[in-house]
This record gives sequence, structure tokens and C-alpha cells, in this order.
Amino acid sequence: DAKTTQPPSMDCAEGRAANLPCNHSTISGNEYVYWYRQIHSQGPQYIIHGLKNNETNEMASLIITEDRKSSTLILPHATLRDTAVYYCIVRVGGRGSTLGRLYFGRGTQLTVWP
Amino acid sequence: EAGVTQFPSHSVIEKGQTVTLRCDPISGHDNLYWYRRVMGKEIKFLLHFVKESKQDESGMPNNRFLAERTGGTYSTLKVQPAELEDSGVYFCASSQVTGPNYGYTFGSGTRLTVV
Repeated sequence: DAKTTQPPSMDCAEGRAANLPCNHSTISGNEYVYWYRQIHSQGPQYIIHGLKNNETNEMASLIITEDRKSSTLILPHATLRDTAVYYCIVRVGGRGSTLGRLYFGRGTQLTVWP
Repeated sequence: EAGVTQFPSHSVIEKGQTVTLRCDPISGHDNLYWYRRVMGKEIKFLLHFVKESKQDESGMPNNRFLAERTGGTYSTLKVQPAELEDSGVYFCASSQVTGPNYGYTFGSGTRLTVV
């Protein structure tokens, strides 16, 4: 089951930063925070992930609080094509047969408007 | 590189019939995953292959679903006999490495409609 809580919807003006919050208060020390998005009827698309340090790539930045109980995905300059459902996922680390699972919740519907 | 390919993209079948979905992972990716979203629900994990072996199949809903990955390349997911509640979108994903520090690449999915 999903271990994250996200707002069901948000909107953002094109060209502005979109900041998507996620709560994961029960996260364990070896669990990673992943972000995926799903644009309309396409398959989920990987965005970024992190363990405890902030991360940045060409798509987004991930800010994880020091206690790791929450994080924020930042799209620095949102475009209309960023309209999608964004999923915050806590993924088990270490070893084990269930290592491959991702638990998707309901996600946040981000709407970018012109 | 080519992405994860799934086909058919859409399938409409009658209740009681059999349907086989296929997934071609990214070349060289040993890990292959099946997920699905049924109407109004969240995306749920079905199973995970490492090469041709089933690493975790605990998400398979019942014995009407059979997944195979002979030779460790492409995978098929067969539903036999299909029921109305099997309708939804079936996603396949692949990754080169098993581990929590790597993202997956998903395919575009197969939309299955059982009537």
C-alpha cells in the first residue's frame, strides 16, 4: 500500500515553478523517495528519486526534509506539457523479493494553465 | 535506444475469451515488471521477472493470469478466461538493475476491455 499522502490537485501558471508536496511520515531509513508522472493515457514516466540528499536533474529538483518525513518536487519552469498526474512513491531499499515493487497512490493532478 | 514496447495497444474481447498481452523490454534489461490499473483504482503491481525467473508474483490477482518470459527477453501476460473486472490498462516496465536506486522505464500500456 502507498505510504505517501499528496494533495489531489494543484495548478500552476505556465513559466512559473510548480512545487508538489508529499508527506511520507512513516518512511524508513533505507527507503527511497521516487517521483513518477503519467501524462494522459501514457505509461508512468520516471522523474527523479532520492534517499536523503536533495537531487536535481534535467527535469526537476527533489527537496527532502532533514527528518525525511516529507519532500517537494519542483518543476522550475512549468509548461503546458507538464500537465499530468504526479506520483510520489516510497520504495523499499535493501534486499528482498519485493524490492521491485512500486506502490502508486492517487497522485496529484497538476494542471498548468497558459 | 528503443523504449519498452507493448502490444496490442488496445484489445476488446468478450467475457470468457482468452487474451495475451506482450511486452518487449529495453534490450539488455534483465528486470521486467507488469502493473495494471483497473477502472477507478490505483496502479497496482502484478509481478517482477529477473531474466526468465519470477522474482515476485505476489501481486497477481488470481490463477486466471499467467505471465511468462521464456528466454529472458520479451514477456507475455495471458488472461484466461477473461472477466469483466479484468478491464483496465496493463503496463509493462523494465530496468537494467534490480535495486532501489534505479528508475524504471514504462511502456505505453495495453488497454483491455472485456465486454
